[in-house]
Amino acid sequence: DTEVTQTPKHLVMGMTNKKSLKCEQHMGHRAMYWYKQKAKKPPELMFVYSYEKLSINESVPSRFSPECPNSSLLNLHLHALQPEDSALYLCASSQNWPGQGGQTQYFGPGTRLLVL
Amino acid sequence: QQQVKQSPQSLIVQKGGISIINCAYENTAFDYFPWYQQFPGKGPALLIAIRPDVSEKKEGRFTISFNKSAKQFSLHIMDSQPGDSATYFCAATMNGGTSYGKLTFGQGTILTVHP
Repeated sequence: DTEVTQTPKHLVMGMTNKKSLKCEQHMGHRAMYWYKQKAKKPPELMFVYSYEKLSINESVPSRFSPECPNSSLLNLHLHALQPEDSALYLCASSQNWPGQGGQTQYFGPGTRLLVL
Repeated sequence: QQQVKQSPQSLIVQKGGISIINCAYENTAFDYFPWYQQFPGKGPALLIAIRPDVSEKKEGRFTISFNKSAKQFSLHIMDSQPGDSATYFCAATMNGGTSYGKLTFGQGTILTVHP
């Protein structure tokens, strides 16, 4: 099973709201990722967690706050977002060790976010 | 040096034809090259992947050809079907260093297969 689940599927929020996106995987993967994808563009990496520790932050604005409560869960807390933050937010996971297949990232279906 | 260049941006193929998408990279430290297929409103799904120690990998109708000396790789979709209509992304990553785990994506190819 290579399933990554994300909730909610759709989210509409105002610029003063606080909301959270959730991601879950039960593949035993130890690396989890958040990506942002605009229409007709490739996914852009935002954050990487490796063994529940933040290992990469791609200079993402502080209005996005990631959290990894355990090895299966990944959250993205949103606060004071701007309309230009409207996008598809994708979660992914991988085994996170060198070697055959360790680098393969499996993506969830995404959360479509609209900021008004 | 971290870029992966993908072409064409869009591709129209008749049912039963061969779809070919090309990618080129500069960073010789890349050692894993996956292809992802993405349908509208969905997340990217891993289609097929290759490492630079092999020149070709085939899975069903999908084949990756890899040319290490030219730093190029391509996806061939044989007997293309309307259900293959999607956006295809090539990607590259490296096995180690501070960039471990970072996928560098091409810009994507929108494939349309006409019935």
